[in-house]
Amino acid sequence: DSGVTQTPKHLITATGQRVTLRCSPRSGDLSVYWYQQSLDQGLQFLIQYYNGEERAKGNILERFSAQQFPDLHSELNLSSLELGDSALYFCASSVLTGGEQYFGPGTRLTVT
Amino acid sequence: TQLLEQSPQFLSIQEGENLTVYCNSSSVFSSLQWYRQEPGEGPVLLVTVVTGGEVKKLKRLTFQFGDARKDSSLHITAAQPGDTGLYLCAGRQEYGNKLVFGAGTILRVKS
Repeated sequence: DSGVTQTPKHLITATGQRVTLRCSPRSGDLSVYWYQQSLDQGLQFLIQYYNGEERAKGNILERFSAQQFPDLHSELNLSSLELGDSALYFCASSVLTGGEQYFGPGTRLTVT
Repeated sequence: TQLLEQSPQFLSIQEGENLTVYCNSSSVFSSLQWYRQEPGEGPVLLVTVVTGGEVKKLKRLTFQFGDARKDSSLHITAAQPGDTGLYLCAGRQEYGNKLVFGAGTILRVKS
């Protein structure tokens, strides 16, 4: 158990819909990272927040957005969902930006 | 184009055999991490190597960081079925601090 929690574990939704994925970092960690993992793309970095502020952006689509709240939990919002958005979405956290990252169990999103 | 190339992509071996997984790049990394991921789970950090030429051992696993900090290897001695999983290397870019992942090596150890 890494100490990072993610909800929900599974999510099935239809194309065009919007979903919110939630992540709670390890106690004491200020940085949260979001990743997308699919069979053809591997593990892709989406976005990082540090202490409530966006710190780095990766291959995140404009239809996706994220935020980190004062209690340090983070949410990833995915809108206008497409079939190709079906993937595992992982959250990771670290004490500082650039520190060792610890991953949550992931949310499996299926868009039908 | 993958910044980090992992090889082989897939490895199926018998229990007790040795194996090596490689992670190569043309870029220099400030550090490199190895993760193991089981189906339906998140990646679990195994080790971080920081210094060029560094060797770290974790029981039957030996990790090496290349002298130029562009490549790394993971060697498993006497593999066991419990070693089965996806092994990912991840390099931290010197500039920008992002962690870049390789595509992974799927290891299957048969008993």
